[in-house]
Amino acid sequence: GAGVSQTPSNKVTEKGKYVELRCDPISGHTALYWYRQSLGQGPEFLIYFQGTGAADDSGLPNDRFFAVRPEGSVSTLKIQRTERGDSAVYLCASSLRPGTGEGEQYFGPGTRLTVT
Amino acid sequence: GDSVTQMEGPVTLSEEAFLTINCTYTATGYPSLFWYVQYPGEGLQLLLKATKADDKGSNKGFEATYRKETTSFHLEKGSVQVSDSAVYFCALSGAGRRALTFGSGTRLQVQP
Repeated sequence: GAGVSQTPSNKVTEKGKYVELRCDPISGHTALYWYRQSLGQGPEFLIYFQGTGAADDSGLPNDRFFAVRPEGSVSTLKIQRTERGDSAVYLCASSLRPGTGEGEQYFGPGTRLTVT
Repeated sequence: GDSVTQMEGPVTLSEEAFLTINCTYTATGYPSLFWYVQYPGEGLQLLLKATKADDKGSNKGFEATYRKETTSFHLEKGSVQVSDSAVYFCALSGAGRRALTFGSGTRLQVQP
């Protein structure tokens, strides 16, 4: 079946602009996660949704970052007033039943964001 | 907070050599431990996991044992292949949390 998909695969934007990154999880997966991976580093957690609600947003670096999942499926990560330090690969993952034997997180290919 | 430390790469081995990639962690309680792999041009994939002390995770010839006393989860493989060339990430999910905390990754290069 289809895996996690993310669009766009690449996004180049100018400093100060607003961007939206989209994630389509695996059908039926209730949990959705956003991570950010800088060059040469491991992914860093941003936010986790269970259904439509953000169950853990402790990783969002500041109030320029916001994410939504209005219908419990597709999610959008929104970054306002982008800064060059926001340049990274943004990864999305989904899981069927977190905290259980079916809690494996399946990752998408990522969106590479470059802020010039 | 939770953290994961893994050996820096790149690790360069000849085919059929023995592989060890060290991973240690800091966490409260009893986290679940994972190894993820990222092959060139592909997304992160779960390689193996262990959810409690002394558990051994295994997959594709790779193994790792959850050692509570040394807070370690070292990845091993007895005989690597060129196709194992990838970046390997150790990760944990803390007790009661769903988010993963990753190490910085170790690049493995296997030469024929």
